Amino acid sequence: GAGVSQSPSNKVTEKGKDVELRCDPISGHTALYWYRQSLGQGLEFLIYFQGNSAPDKSGLPSDRFSAERTGGSVSTLTIQRTQQEDSAVYLCASSLGQARYEQYFGPGTRLTVT
Amino acid sequence: QQQVKQSPQSLIVQKGGISIINCAYENTAFDYFPWYQQFPGKGPALLIAIRPDVSEKKEGRFTISFNKSAKQFSLHIMDSQPGDSATYFCAASRGSGGYQKVTFGTGTKLQVIP
Repeated sequence: GAGVSQSPSNKVTEKGKDVELRCDPISGHTALYWYRQSLGQGLEFLIYFQGNSAPDKSGLPSDRFSAERTGGSVSTLTIQRTQQEDSAVYLCASSLGQARYEQYFGPGTRLTVT
Repeated sequence: QQQVKQSPQSLIVQKGGISIINCAYENTAFDYFPWYQQFPGKGPALLIAIRPDVSEKKEGRFTISFNKSAKQFSLHIMDSQPGDSATYFCAASRGSGGYQKVTFGTGTKLQVIP
């Protein structure tokens, strides 16, 4: 079946503008994660959604970052008033949920803030 | 206390040789240790994973060795091939609030030369 998809694949924006990044998880996966990968760095956890539970937002770096997941499926990560340090690859992953550990990653969205 | 330290940062191996990547963790609550492989422009993909109740797991040319007392684990790639050239991330996770929160290492860029 289809894997995790993300859009857009690349996004160039001017400093101060807002951006929205989209993630479509694998059908049936109840858990959804967002990560940030800066150049040459590991993956930085941002936020986690599990079913209808309150999301774990503990990794969001500032209040400019927010995310929502509609209908338990598609998720949108929003970055307001973008800064140059927000430039990174934003990765989304989904998994079957609590007892199943494997995360399936999308190809990522490369965000460049000029 | 949530860190996973990974080394080396980069690695060059001759075709047919053995690639070894090492990771160390601090939190003894971690109960799942996956390795992810990432090719340029792609999201990470699960390669192999181990739980702390075993000391070794082998899948084809890939082996994880796990030393619980030393809180270290490593990935060995036998008969390394140019197609193995990628970035490898170790990770550690634990159940937290009903889901697996994953901490990633900083990655090792492997280059296998013919």
